Amino acid sequence: GDSVTQMEGPVTLSEEAFLTINCTYTATGYPSLFWYVQYPGEGLQLLLKATKADDKGSNKGFEATYRKETTSFHLEKGSVQVSDSAVYFCALSESEGGSEKLVFGKGTKLTVNP
Amino acid sequence: GAGVSQSPSNKVTEKGKDVELRCDPISGHTALYWYRQSLGQGLEFLIYFQGNSAPDKSGLPSDRFSAERTGGSVSTLTIQRTQQEDSAVYLCASSPDRGHEKLFFGSGTQLSVL
Repeated sequence: GDSVTQMEGPVTLSEEAFLTINCTYTATGYPSLFWYVQYPGEGLQLLLKATKADDKGSNKGFEATYRKETTSFHLEKGSVQVSDSAVYFCALSESEGGSEKLVFGKGTKLTVNP
Repeated sequence: GAGVSQSPSNKVTEKGKDVELRCDPISGHTALYWYRQSLGQGLEFLIYFQGNSAPDKSGLPSDRFSAERTGGSVSTLTIQRTQQEDSAVYLCASSPDRGHEKLFFGSGTQLSVL
């Protein structure tokens, strides 16, 4: 079945550092790709998405580009802030057989120190 | 309410007992999902409800797990004869329609089976 693999954490950075969290996927069809973020004590929320190859999703300074040739959707931010400390999940959307479900990676915990 | 509400937020139970977890989706949302988040693991899909269609139960790990959605709104996830490996955070999410672009998650129920 479809799967998502993302880099294991935890990741610890200093404020204003560059962030990359790698994500690769395996899918039989053409899924949509997502990054979700879970801030401490809060529920998951959508950070950004891309629905087809070469699309770039962006939000709050974060970006990720849907790369079909490398089956990747790496998350990047040029200058992280303390408030970006959270767990980040890469996910893909399956729509086979009439079902609709998200397949998630294991999550990457990011800590940004001042 | 403004978001997806889950109750209880924490549940401690003894092995072998039955538990019920409740999810109140955002009003008007036709799609409802249950996921399980185990320590160090990604989110595992359990079940999906969409309107009046038959639910997708393909993610339920055993016949001890069941879920229902009454009146197209509130959903209850029931775990019978709980086992220690059932300990996890159970997350509910709802969406106004098919697809995941507008998926909202609750804060989850932390289940601990002693």
